[in-house]
Amino acid sequence: RKEVEQDPGPFNVPEGATVAFNCTYSNSASQSFFWYRQDCRKEPKLLMSVYSSGNEDGRFTAQLNRASQYISLLIRDSKLSDSATYLCVVNMVGRDDKIIFGKGTRLHILP
Amino acid sequence: DTGVSQDPRHKITKRGQNVTFRCDPISEHNRLYWYRQTLGQGPEFLTYFQNEAQLEKSRLLSDRFSAERPKGSFSTLEIQRTEQGDSAMYLCASSVGLAETQYFGPGTRLLVL
Repeated sequence: RKEVEQDPGPFNVPEGATVAFNCTYSNSASQSFFWYRQDCRKEPKLLMSVYSSGNEDGRFTAQLNRASQYISLLIRDSKLSDSATYLCVVNMVGRDDKIIFGKGTRLHILP
Repeated sequence: DTGVSQDPRHKITKRGQNVTFRCDPISEHNRLYWYRQTLGQGPEFLTYFQNEAQLEKSRLLSDRFSAERPKGSFSTLEIQRTEQGDSAMYLCASSVGLAETQYFGPGTRLLVL
């Protein structure tokens, strides 16, 4: 099992729709989690951290399920500008610090 | 602009040549990371520094790769005897501390002919 797995997509979603991505991780020692957004040929940029209790930022909601070892990202009322690749990031802190990026999920918002 | 900067932005080189990239992190950030990213993949961790100390190196970092952060500020990544498989985007990121948000530079795109 890969350390961090994401559905690569692409997800083709009409504007205004709601879309959700999941990201699974294999190491239960993982301690912090993030969603990054990456536009074509650009660097990744932080979208939001993922907290244990779940958190929301405008149209974006992130959830963490430690028991099932996955995080999710929900985008409501999607905009054309949401088209990008969404990267899941898992940090493991301990004897061996590891920072693992998923391969990303591509999202295309259709007009 | 007080973000992470990288230089050069693009580099084309012939196989067998050595290349060096520079990263200037956000000034108050103790941690500095190097990643490699190829098309269709997420960034792959190469190495990171806590101040001037190199704390972790990925198995991806062969002996042709070396990174330094001599004064705990900017960092360099050198690739010796480049191979075509080294062609990728090399990303640098910095953070305040462990498990904190990483801020990425624009990357150096390397093409080895």
